Parts: sequence; C-alpha cells; structure tokens
Amino acid sequence: GAGVSQSPSNKVTEKGKDVELRCDPISGHTALYWYRQSLGQGLEFLIYFQGNSAPDKSGLPSDRFSAERTGGSVSTLTIQRTQQEDSAVYLCASSWEGAATEAFFGQGTRLTVV
Amino acid sequence: AQKVTQAQTEISVVEKEDVTLDCVYETRDTTYYLFWYKQPPSGELVFLIRRNSFDEQNEISGRYSWNFQKSTSSFNFTITASQVVDSAVYFCALRAAAGNKLTFGGGTRVLVKP
Repeated sequence: GAGVSQSPSNKVTEKGKDVELRCDPISGHTALYWYRQSLGQGLEFLIYFQGNSAPDKSGLPSDRFSAERTGGSVSTLTIQRTQQEDSAVYLCASSWEGAATEAFFGQGTRLTVV
Repeated sequence: AQKVTQAQTEISVVEKEDVTLDCVYETRDTTYYLFWYKQPPSGELVFLIRRNSFDEQNEISGRYSWNFQKSTSSFNFTITASQVVDSAVYFCALRAAAGNKLTFGGGTRVLVKP
C-alpha cells in the first residue's frame, strides 16, 4: 500500500474486555514497530519485529500485551483484560531493514477504555 | 541504555519568527542515527531528517536546518521564518546501529500564532 494502515482508527471498549489492533505495513518493509502515545506524552516503545528474527518485546508493559506478525506482513497487537490506563493512541511504524532507515508511521488507533 | 531529552515542552512564537528546538541524547554506542519527526494536529508522525553519527555536517532544507554537535551530544532543529502550518509537536529520536529500538524524546509542542 501507499502507507502504513492501522485499524480501527478509534476503539472504545469496556474495562476487562480484550482488544485487537491491526497494522498493515508498507509493502516490502521488513521491520515493524508498535509504540504507545498517551495524551500529550511522548512515544513509548512496545515491540519490534524484523524479518524472521525473534521480536524485541522489551517494551511490552505487562503480560496482558502481546503482538504477532503473520507472514512477515500484517501485525496484530492484542491487549487482554483492558484497564483504563491502557487508554492511549497506539502507533504502528514500518521500515526497511537497518538502523539507518527511517520509520514510517500510521495514523494510529485511539483506544479508550471505559 | 539510550535516552533522548527535549527540555522544551512548548514554544510559542509569532509568525515569521525563528524557533530552535533542542535535542540532547545519550548513548554508549559509537555508531548511531538521529531523527526528527513532526506530528501535526492530525496525529500522523512525519519523517523530517536522519543524521548519521559520523557525519557532523549541518543540513538545511528550505526553512528547516539542523545543527548536529557530537561534542555536546546535541541535534538541534531550527525553523526559520515560522509559519502557522509549522504548528505541531516535534520529536527527536535515536537508534543505535546495532539496536532495534527507536527511542524518542518527549516532544516539543510548537505553536505559531498569526
């Protein structure tokens, strides 16, 4: 596709429910990132996928958070038993392989836990 | 560990004024990459520039310029003759050559008043 696509753009869920957020990276990009941005805050790293390598999960805040990337393309971030503090914008980015490459971001999914 | 600090949380200027955004970073790696991103009110992060740690040449792109000083671990960004459309949050970021994580600063909100 032309850019990184995320769905849904907005999600309101009840506390305790599970949610799935989807990211379609730019075609051909082998690296994929998930970040979280709370209201008025900076970007918090969550997880990184690169090709067939084991993902870097060092940023996941708790075991309620998990992510997978199927076929080296689409990624799904799952939050189980959502809490109000999970409310934030979840941003996905993709890039070519290599530290020198810039990451391109999607428009994010705004998650509100009520 | 990597760290990026943007000490200015918000800057307000009048149109046509120049504005400089500070970025100070910490890393133990000898090879790394620095980035600036713009986040307009629409929310999507837009890549502005990448700089390699071994290239301290400053860069100018239109009204934007960047001053990289390795001796002070700073990578500052100046907008010359600011315009209302420059109003956004600007993020500085760092990635080590051997690393995966793109570490962001807290961002600086720039408000350009007409």
